[in-house]
Amino acid sequence: GQQLNQSPQSMFIQEGEDVSMNCTSSSIFNTWLWYKQDPGEGPVLLIALYKAGELTSNGRLTAQFGITRKDSFLNISASIPSDVGIYFCRHGSSNTGKLIFGQGTTLQVKP
Amino acid sequence: NAGVMQNPRHLVRRRGQEARLRCSPMKGHSHVYWYRQLPEEGLKFMVYLQKENIIDESGMPKERFSAEFPKEGPSILRIQQVVRGDSAAYFCASSPTDSNQPQHFGDGTRLSIL
Repeated sequence: GQQLNQSPQSMFIQEGEDVSMNCTSSSIFNTWLWYKQDPGEGPVLLIALYKAGELTSNGRLTAQFGITRKDSFLNISASIPSDVGIYFCRHGSSNTGKLIFGQGTTLQVKP
Repeated sequence: NAGVMQNPRHLVRRRGQEARLRCSPMKGHSHVYWYRQLPEEGLKFMVYLQKENIIDESGMPKERFSAEFPKEGPSILRIQQVVRGDSAAYFCASSPTDSNQPQHFGDGTRLSIL
């Protein structure tokens, strides 16, 4: 079945550092989305990508849809303590609702 | 504009009982999705529904689990004869149209089985 490989699984960084995480798949997709989940809450959409090669920013966050349509990365610049959480990538298909999420990247930021 | 509302936030059941989880989608959203999340794991797709229709239930166990999204009222995820392994956080999401659109999530129902 379809799988997303998200890496790294976890990161422990110093406040102010930049962070990069990515998702790869063996299949081609038309949509990549990145979510963040805070403890005890539901995932919140950060960035949505709909076009191969697309580079989109949201504040200190930047995400890119890979040219091959098989991967995406998310960068966070100048990390702050509130960036702590689990980041998930997701692809989408309009044919069914079976949407696959990556395993998540757990980010911890040391003040 | 209210977001996706799930209730209850926490639900405790004894083995063999039934659990009913409710989800009211965002206003104007007619597509609902249910996911299960075990501790330290990602979100696993369970079922995708439109009003009065199940579009994809390939992620839902064949036994004891059922879901509905009636014409009126919230979507319901029902688990009969719960077992310890059903303990998890269950998240509902909604989107305005098809599943290619971004989904908006509720804060989940945390189900604990004694």
